[in-house]
Amino acid sequence: QVQLQESGPGQVKPSETLSLTCTVSAYSISSGYYWGWIRQPPGKGLEWIGTISHSGTTYYNPSLKSRVSISVDTSKNQFSLKLSSVTAADTAVYYCARRGGFFDIWGQGTMVTVSS
Amino acid sequence: QSVLTQPPSASGTPGQRVTISCSGSSSNIGSNYVYWYQQLPGTAPKLLIYRHNQRPSGVPDRFSGSKSGTSASLAISGLRSEDEADYYCAAWDDSLSGHWVFGGGTKLTVL
Repeated sequence: QVQLQESGPGQVKPSETLSLTCTVSAYSISSGYYWGWIRQPPGKGLEWIGTISHSGTTYYNPSLKSRVSISVDTSKNQFSLKLSSVTAADTAVYYCARRGGFFDIWGQGTMVTVSS
Repeated sequence: QSVLTQPPSASGTPGQRVTISCSGSSSNIGSNYVYWYQQLPGTAPKLLIYRHNQRPSGVPDRFSGSKSGTSASLAISGLRSEDEADYYCAAWDDSLSGHWVFGGGTKLTVL
């Protein structure tokens, strides 16, 4: 079945750029769907970061838009997140997910801590 | 502060029926589908209800969703201990060029 797996550094320094990759298995990204990132600060709720289509069209959370970039690499069947100028408030579990009309398949999540 | 408003907690005893509310506005729940997610401790959210009241394959019919105006509800009947989890509502919001919004989550305790 379709699976998603996040990867990337578990710790990022303040003011630097957080970079994560989501690898999709058992489904070719280029075949369709949208692919997104959602985060969850410790003990808090979910926050949508952004979504990208298989062709590269992006949609971002207005509150993060100035710092977020999502890209897709169909050759590697991956999509990636970059979040710049991070602060402690960006500390969270970051999930990647597939979106048809809704987020139906999620990765297990990866914890990213912003700390010097 | 979340765009969609949920009660922070809910509780019930085994076998009971509990309801979790989700309040929004005309730009989200009022004009778009509502989705519900269940998050067990230490795990990723799992889709529970889509398009207001549809259940994905494998989700027991004890779980049901409804929507009225700018509010939605998740009902769990025949409460079981394994239902103890956090529940989140979600919807697309048409404002600000469109974006996904979530509720703050409701922690359900089975007493």
